[in-house]
Parts: sequence; structure tokens; C-alpha cells
Amino acid sequence: DGGITQSPKYLFRKEGQNVTLSCEQNLNHDAMYWYRQDPGQGLRLIYYSQIVNDFQKGDIAEGYSVSREKKESFPLTVTSAQKNPTAFYLCASNDSGQGKQPQHFGDGTRLSIL
Amino acid sequence: GESVGLHLPTLSVQEGDNSIINCAYSNSASDYFIWYKQESGKGPQFIIDIRSNMDKRQGQRVTVLLNKTVKHLSLQIAATQPGDSAVYFCAENIAGGYQKVTFGTGTKLQVIP
Repeated sequence: DGGITQSPKYLFRKEGQNVTLSCEQNLNHDAMYWYRQDPGQGLRLIYYSQIVNDFQKGDIAEGYSVSREKKESFPLTVTSAQKNPTAFYLCASNDSGQGKQPQHFGDGTRLSIL
Repeated sequence: GESVGLHLPTLSVQEGDNSIINCAYSNSASDYFIWYKQESGKGPQFIIDIRSNMDKRQGQRVTVLLNKTVKHLSLQIAATQPGDSAVYFCAENIAGGYQKVTFGTGTKLQVIP
């Protein structure tokens, strides 16, 4: 079945460490997104990519980095510069070339600090 | 600033009754709206969407109503079931160079058996 796969489901980060969250989709979508979800808040956009080898900062990009070397993959790195990384991270994708379409989400990665 | 919000943080409904979840939006430039369902520990699941040229759209057991005059969006769930228990949030698509979506904080729906 087509979908978005995020891994790992749980991730722990030590102080000063960079960690990378994986996001893979087999929906043939052009656009991919990373969001952060904190309790009591709406999803906040970290980075997005509309096409391979191109990506743009979202509203809260500081302390994060991404790459988009393949259409189906959009990994997110949480760097040591992100001082409050504990959150639920969600990856999404949609077909941006077909007018406005809903974003479809993976099941998230929960990141915690050791 | 422009924002999407929900009127009720928690809604308790008896099994079999209809549920109505409301959402207010403030950006008159928004032309596409989406409802998502999120179960604990999972990602949001698309339920239904509506474009601004429509007032109503129906799916299986769900109906979305859009009132552009008062900038109000609602999700109606018919014959609510225990499996409907989740957090529901609306999102608005603000016109722009990319599909920037602003998400509401969510309403928790509790179905009482």
C-alpha cells in the first residue's frame, strides 16, 4: 500500500548530539513537509520541499536541517543547536502539481532528551 | 494575526448521537480547508476537505460546512462511534507560493459508550 513511513518511532538524543529522522513516501508526491507538534499547539512547519534538490525554511527552521536528494525521501536532522527538541515530529507529503491537495502524514517520531 | 482556532477543546458525545466540531478562521484569503483526525500516538489522518467555492461537502458519515460570511467551518459526524474518539483539527490553506497550511490546536472528541 502507498503511504508515508517515518522511522524510528521513538528516538532519544544526548546533549550535543545530532540525530536524523527518516521519512520515506511511495505516493509519488512532489512536495514533502516536516512539522513539529507540541502539546496544546497546532502543527508548526519546520521545512518543506516542493521538488528534488530544493527545500525552504518553514516557520521554525532554526536548529534543524534537511536534504532532498531523492523524490521519495526527506530526512530531517535535529542538530545540537536546537535547544528544545523534545516533541512529536511529523512528516507529510502531497501532490503539489494538482492544485490544492490535502497533505498526508506519517505516524510520527517522538524525540526525547536523555 | 491570522489564525485558525477551535471553539471547544473537549467534546463528549453519547454513542450513536451526532457530533459537531467547530472551527473559526480569520484569514479571508484562505480558499481551501481540511479536517484531520488524530489518534493518540499516530499521525493526522485526512477526513474531508472543502474549497471556498462550496458551502457543504459530504463524505461517509461526515459533512463539512463552510460559512464564509462569518469565517466558520464545522465538521459533523453522524452516528458517532467509539472509534471516532480522537483529536480533530481543522486546517486552512492560505493562498501562496506553496501550499502553506495553518493548523488549529484541535478538539478532543470523547465518545461515551
